[in-house]
Amino acid sequence: AQKVTQAQTEISVVEKEDVTLDCVYETRDTTYYLFWYKQPPSGELVFLIRRNSFDEQNEISGRYSWNFQKSTSSFNFTITASQVVDSAVYFCALPSGGGNTPLVFGKGTRLSVIA
Amino acid sequence: DADVTQTPRNRITKTGKRIMLECSQTKGHDRMYWYRQDPGLGLRLIYYSFDVKDINKGEISDGYSVSRQAQAKFSLSLESAIPNQTALYFCATSDNRVSGANVLTFGAGSRLTVL
Repeated sequence: AQKVTQAQTEISVVEKEDVTLDCVYETRDTTYYLFWYKQPPSGELVFLIRRNSFDEQNEISGRYSWNFQKSTSSFNFTITASQVVDSAVYFCALPSGGGNTPLVFGKGTRLSVIA
Repeated sequence: DADVTQTPRNRITKTGKRIMLECSQTKGHDRMYWYRQDPGLGLRLIYYSFDVKDINKGEISDGYSVSRQAQAKFSLSLESAIPNQTALYFCATSDNRVSGANVLTFGAGSRLTVL
């Protein structure tokens, strides 16, 4: 079955430090999408990124970058020069049954950025 | 107004009561979902619907039912609430097109407490 593991339950960093959130997945599919979502303290869930498995190039968006490695089944998320506003719970996800089936989420990593 | 609106935002009820959580959206999306969030467990899928005539069970559908009244409305019912259904419930929507599938737009959440 499709599975997402986020081994880091909580991470705490000091502002301006770099931090990497790990995501390891299991899938039967040869092509698939992977996702990251953010849940800030206010509680709403926000889509961050979707990557297709055939594109292993790193993705960078401002201070955010994503490293996708099929060889290790990982899709890690790095925040460079973290800020207090990055404090949130971050979820990694992939389709539960492949294709466009609904997402199965990891248990999330709570990131606290301390000023 | 929010793209995805959930009502009520907070509800306290007693064991055995029937509860309905409502979700409406202005995104024009065909797909709608109900997820449940518990501390340390991430998000788990309860039910989903890919169009008005389509209803599918998710990972944890026992004790819940849903109704897709229109493209824009998807309600979740607890026929006889029990304390372990105390959780934060999220409604989400997504496009049917491959480019938008699983790029979820979430509601603000409905916090349900069953005493």
